[in-house]
Amino acid sequence: QQQVKQSPQSLIVQKGGISIINCAYENTAFDYFPWYQQFPGKGPALLIAIRPDVSEKKEGRFTISFNKSAKQFSLHIMDSQPGDSATYFCAAIHSNFNKFYFGSGTKLNVKP
Amino acid sequence: NAGVTQTPKFQVLKTGQSMTLQCAQDMNHNSMYWYRQDPGMGLRLIYYSASEGTTDKGEVPNGYNVSRLNKREFSLRLESAAPSQTSVYFCASNDFAGGMNTEAFFGQGTRLTVV
Repeated sequence: QQQVKQSPQSLIVQKGGISIINCAYENTAFDYFPWYQQFPGKGPALLIAIRPDVSEKKEGRFTISFNKSAKQFSLHIMDSQPGDSATYFCAAIHSNFNKFYFGSGTKLNVKP
Repeated sequence: NAGVTQTPKFQVLKTGQSMTLQCAQDMNHNSMYWYRQDPGMGLRLIYYSASEGTTDKGEVPNGYNVSRLNKREFSLRLESAAPSQTSVYFCASNDFAGGMNTEAFFGQGTRLTVV
């Protein structure tokens, strides 16, 4: 059973556009929601993360929106750049446990 | 500042062969993880070690064994490789203390092909 569902599987955006990736979870005990960015041939690296006590977190062009009642969270990339082309993973963690549950990933391609 | 180091980076095995994937971290983290990454499947947890001396199964442990050799090192062993184990394997580490998870750091991955 997949703990975190991520969509879309792939996304093509023009340079300067907004990229939106969505994730949904079932376990209401999750209390930490990071997004990881992975470039080809590299391991994932933390991009931005949010805890459920806030509805939005922004770091530069990257924003997480969090909807606790709907059990959904999303990553918005404003002014998308070709350098943002990568695979993005959402994840969810319960603070009492050590397991990161990852979504299936979204391959983003930003066209110049 | 190496972070998480995995060896080897690439490996080709014949069905039935065994091998051990090595992972070491230099961040003094308590927790270490092994994931496999397959197209459309995301990152699936194979095994994890919450602290030195402990290991536990993740989502897809069948066909694998692990050893937490010390605080720095966490190895993954395939006893009898199968084509279904063709994948990219990632080791990760983080700290988990006081009920709080911190950022997980990943290695560069091991691309394993079983023929």
